[in-house]
Amino acid sequence: AQSVTQLDSQVPVFEEAPVELRCNYSSSVSVYLFWYVQYPNQGLQLLLKYLSGSTLVKSINGFEAEFNKSQTSFHLRKPSVHISDTAEYFCAVRRSNDMRFGAGTRLTVKP
Amino acid sequence: SAVISQKPSRDICQRGTSLTIQCQVDSQVTMMFWYRQQPGQSLTLIATANQGSEATYESGFVIDKFPISRPNLTFSTLTVSNMSPEDSSIYLCSVDPTGDRYEQYFGPGTRLTVT
Repeated sequence: AQSVTQLDSQVPVFEEAPVELRCNYSSSVSVYLFWYVQYPNQGLQLLLKYLSGSTLVKSINGFEAEFNKSQTSFHLRKPSVHISDTAEYFCAVRRSNDMRFGAGTRLTVKP
Repeated sequence: SAVISQKPSRDICQRGTSLTIQCQVDSQVTMMFWYRQQPGQSLTLIATANQGSEATYESGFVIDKFPISRPNLTFSTLTVSNMSPEDSSIYLCSVDPTGDRYEQYFGPGTRLTVT
């Protein structure tokens, strides 16, 4: 079965600074990749996904992630973060009917 | 997309009792899932509940402890039975509207504390 590793449990960053949240997965076959965001006291929301095609996928609020097959990574980036981006971010990998989530990265944006 | 509501949003329960969590979806969906998110941890799939069939439980979860009902295509319940403090978690309902697992939507969660 595949596994998902989010390399940073917490990422503190100042407002308007760039940020990268790292995600690596292990799987010997093709997978689908997802980033979910969980704001305080809320459920998970799908941020973006990679199914096929262009390896760079973007969300409506400025986040982007790039699928790198050779490095088995799907890192999430944003060039300039806002206070409102403070949340828990989960990377997820799906192969067939098996969906696995990473441990999560808590992004804290400071003024 | 799908809008999911859960009841209750939170509860504090005594050891040995049971709590039933409800999940309501605003559209008909075939596949529904129940997840557990323990404090400071990621999501763990408890079971998959498809309408018209018995729920399928993941390793480490059993029907006697987490009985699930799926009476129709918009509703499901998860019961946490004979609770202990180790059951303190957020329980999340999730659906796959298209049935292809390309996109899953999550409810707001039920925050359970067992004392």
